[in-house]
Amino acid sequence: QMQLVESGGGLVKPGGSLRLSCAASGVTFSEYYMSWVRQAPGKRLEWISYISGSGSAKYYADSVKGRFTISRDNAQNSLYLQMNSLRVEDTATYFCAHMHYGVLPDWGQGAPVTVSS
Amino acid sequence: EIVMTQSAATLSVSPGETATLSCRASQSVSTNVAWYQQKPGQAPRLLISGASTRATGVPARFIGSGSGTDFTLTIRSLQSEDFAVYYCQQNNTWSPYPFGQGTKLEIK
Repeated sequence: QMQLVESGGGLVKPGGSLRLSCAASGVTFSEYYMSWVRQAPGKRLEWISYISGSGSAKYYADSVKGRFTISRDNAQNSLYLQMNSLRVEDTATYFCAHMHYGVLPDWGQGAPVTVSS
Repeated sequence: EIVMTQSAATLSVSPGETATLSCRASQSVSTNVAWYQQKPGQAPRLLISGASTRATGVPARFIGSGSGTDFTLTIRSLQSEDFAVYYCQQNNTWSPYPFGQGTKLEIK
């Protein structure tokens, strides 16, 4: 089972940037697709991006395309989400998760992000 | 874009009884549906994949069924730890993979 720990969340002004990190352990990280899923307060889960094990394939939801970038460093067993041009509606808890054929068996504890002036 | 709709926002059931949670896809997703449980302040936990396959460590009282557009999560002999929010999710087509809006299972 993969253990995941997110970091980097916080308060940022609209238009600002933030980079989330997710440290993985317990598995050979490079073998696994990884994802970011977010949850705004009181709202449903929203899958926003995923990346292949090698990092060569990346997919984004329309709500973040062009503003967010997913990446990974397999040597460091780490997943990242660079968030630019942040909007108030990006306020949410961001979860990193292991993705297996479109299902999410392992999740981190979540990193809260608040976008507010 | 595929939309997942869970028919009940809240379901009130007594401990020891059976809860039946429903989820409908806007188009056929075969059996590519997963169910997750989320408790307050926690990350979601995978319960069911492939519409009916329990994840490792999930008790047998959690039963998933359905195919095409209509799916059900049945929880038998409800225990106190089962009261939570449950989400369905389709993984048939990346559009991206949407979740339902969730059903809160509360104690009656």
